[in-house]
Amino acid sequence: DTAVSQTPKYLVTQMGNDKSIKCEQNLGHDTMYWYKQDSKKFLKIMFSYNNKELIINETVPNRFSPKSPDKAHLNLHINSLELGDSAVYFCASSQSLRGQTHSGANVLTFGAGSRLTVL
Amino acid sequence: KNEVEQSPQNLTAQEGEFITINCSYSVGISALHWLQQHPGGGIVSLFMLSSGKKKHGRLIATINIQEKHSSLHITASHPRDSAVYICAVRYRSYGGSQGNLIFGKGTKLSVKP
Repeated sequence: DTAVSQTPKYLVTQMGNDKSIKCEQNLGHDTMYWYKQDSKKFLKIMFSYNNKELIINETVPNRFSPKSPDKAHLNLHINSLELGDSAVYFCASSQSLRGQTHSGANVLTFGAGSRLTVL
Repeated sequence: KNEVEQSPQNLTAQEGEFITINCSYSVGISALHWLQQHPGGGIVSLFMLSSGKKKHGRLIATINIQEKHSSLHITASHPRDSAVYICAVRYRSYGGSQGNLIFGKGTKLSVKP
């Protein structure tokens, strides 16, 4: 019943490996996001997809590749993992203003986070 | 310089106290969010506002567009309010696309019994 679910919750891996984090939302939202929270707890947007289309791609290494097979899913694949990729990655979703049907539009719902540790 | 400034960074209060957390931003925005991150790490959206004031239970959020300032108030604080409170703004975007959220660094609140 979780509204935004991410898997895995914890991921420990070696440098150089490739890993994926999956995100699914059952809220019917049309926009999904990936955020990175660093060791200082600072949140930063990485990507945003609206109806499967990439609309925000912040300065993120191209080792990070988001994939949105449909508007309910936004997965994050990371190639050649580096120590600096260790962080908590949060997925979130919202309903865009263009698709607004109620006052809750554009309110973010977050997943529980995926803690990635690169050794 | 971070475009979203929160104060204070850390706040310790006694149970029952009235709490105020402040957020300032630099240019025109389309919306401002207040988020709560629990000690366990989960993030919950508390409010999204673009003008005026919103209230939910003991929480009140206000925004002054002219002064580019928002406050989050907690009345009758309780130890379970202990969390990090994060302000985030969505700057007005260009070309019709949604502007991305810029986050403050958060205010860590501890409420003692």
